[in-house]
Formats: sequence, structure tokens, C-alpha cells
Amino acid sequence: IAGITQAPTSQILAAGRRMTLRCTQDMRHNAMYWYRQDLGLGLRLIHYSNTAGTTGKGEVPDGYSVSRANTDDFPLTLASAVPSQTSVYFCASSDSTPGTSGGTDTQYFGPGTRLTVL
Amino acid sequence: GQNIDQPTEMTATEGAIVQINCTYQTSGFNGLFWYQQHAGEAPTFLSYNVLDGLEEKGRFSSFLSRSKGYSYLLLKELQMKDSASYLCAVRDSNYQLIWGAGTKLIIKP
Repeated sequence: IAGITQAPTSQILAAGRRMTLRCTQDMRHNAMYWYRQDLGLGLRLIHYSNTAGTTGKGEVPDGYSVSRANTDDFPLTLASAVPSQTSVYFCASSDSTPGTSGGTDTQYFGPGTRLTVL
Repeated sequence: GQNIDQPTEMTATEGAIVQINCTYQTSGFNGLFWYQQHAGEAPTFLSYNVLDGLEEKGRFSSFLSRSKGYSYLLLKELQMKDSASYLCAVRDSNYQLIWGAGTKLIIKP
């Protein structure tokens, strides 16, 4: 089934450990995004990539890093996890770089990863 | 700063109509989105407005007034499956989405 997959579904992690959240899409979308969702807050953008080989910082990038080696994959790494990174993480993609196509550039979301840092 | 305001929670009756409001203050405007998110699931796209007026899509309609910084999502003939959170998001001058915290809609029989 075409779409976005994320792994793992959930994870409990000790503080200080390194963790990579995986995101893969098979829609050949150019742009990809990582968000975190916390209770009572809107989705907050962590990092984004407008096209393979480029990445950019979002609203809350500290403590996170990303890479975009190819079109399909956009992993998010927590180098040294802290309890404040406990959250639900969503990966999303859109079929064009926003503002370049004249279209809606609708973002489509993966199922999410629930991460708990103790 | 940038801000998106939505009511935290609303309750409505099955078969009725409900209007969920969203007001925004952002640096620039390049479109407004509504998403639906069931508990424990991913947000799914509902509607997009970039020009003033009403966009209708089946039981769901979305309205935009750019001069007022205001949008609403109208849900008609409510069904139990419409119980979910509804997220308003505005694309700013940098083409990034700014998200509201969402409105939890509870449908009662």
C-alpha cells in the first residue's frame, strides 16, 4: 500500500541513549518533514527536507538531526535522548516543495512513533 | 509571534451540525488547511483554502476570510465516526505550516 511508514511504532528509551526514528515513503514525494506532537500543543516542526540532499531546521530542532540521502528515506536521530523529548513523532511528505508548484502541497502523515524517554 | 487559536473541545449531537472556528495571526499567509485526527492515529487531510469563501466537500465545508484572519470548518449530518480532533494549520510566508493545538469534537448519540 502506497504511503508513509514509520518505525518503530513505540519505544521506551533510557536518557542519554542514541535513537534513530525511521521514515520511508513510496510516493516519490520531494518534500519530507518531522513533527512532534505534545498534549495541548500544536504539531511542531523539527526538521524538513525540500528535496533529496537538502535539509532545514524547523521550530524545535535542538537535540535532533536528520539526513536525506535519497527521495524515500528521512531518518530522525536523537543523539542523546532527554526526558523532554518524550512525545509522539510524525513524519510527513508532500509531493512538491511548497511554493514552487502552485498546488496545495498537501502534507500526508505517517502513523507516528510514540517515544518515551526515562 | 505566530498564533493559531481553536477551541479546545466541543460537543455535538449525532445528526446535527457543528462549526469549529480557527483564528490566526501569522507572518504571511499561503493557505489554510484542516486536518482530522482520530485518537492514536495520524492527521489526515480534510480541506484547503487559499482564497476567501466557502469550499464544500460532501458533509464537510471550510470557510476562509483572510482580512479577518478567520476560518471555520462546518460538519453536517454528524456521525459517531466524526468524533476526533480537528487541526487548523496556516502556511506562513516561509511556506511552513503553523499548527493550532486542535479541537476535540465529542459526538453524543
